Amino acid sequence: AQTVTQSQPEMSVQEAETVTLSCTYDTSESDYYLFWYKQPPSRQMILVIRQEAYKQQNATENRFSVNFQKAAKSFSLKISDSQLGDAAMYFCPGTGANSKLTFGKGITLSVRP
Amino acid sequence: DSGVTQTPKHLITATGQRVTLRCSPRSGDLSVYWYQQSLDQGLQFLIQYYNGEERAKGNILERFSAQQFPDLHSELNLSSLELGDSALYFCASSVRGATNSPLHFGNGTRLTVT
Repeated sequence: AQTVTQSQPEMSVQEAETVTLSCTYDTSESDYYLFWYKQPPSRQMILVIRQEAYKQQNATENRFSVNFQKAAKSFSLKISDSQLGDAAMYFCPGTGANSKLTFGKGITLSVRP
Repeated sequence: DSGVTQTPKHLITATGQRVTLRCSPRSGDLSVYWYQQSLDQGLQFLIQYYNGEERAKGNILERFSAQQFPDLHSELNLSSLELGDSALYFCASSVRGATNSPLHFGNGTRLTVT
């Protein structure tokens, strides 16, 4: 994706609850992938989940799942059974040519014990 | 552990100086990417190499240069450093550098220019 927008700079969730992080994108590519990356306070960038644009089925990875709405260019991340370790900044970059990732400003997720 | 190694972890230097950041990609990955993360600019793509050749260039300043060596490790050279160059510099690698290859990031090098 060539541009991504994360309009919610901050989100908060109670431990064990479910939270959804929103992301919209815009692209002229026909073949692209979308990702969610997590950046905890350690500043390491960790791949959480990825979605192929040509697949209609939403990707799932344990407690993490996406809601991919291609026509609406929306790509949200749902975190179930939130844990304290989920507290981090989350980014939803997408690929264009050459797998170059374009990042938005990110969403800071806090988890309340 | 992503398998991508970046050195050094921290670097403190003065304005006008030159530094070199080093990255070793995951075993088997042919493509290397450099990103800059600063507080006010977010994550910015700098440059990509694939198997030793420059593949794509982003918002990289002329004072910055990079290369990928035959053993696939990469170096990012930053010269005539300014205070605004202080940032976290990430290296990432992927298998093919294609749209379906996820990027795996190193732990970054934190550069502080004083």
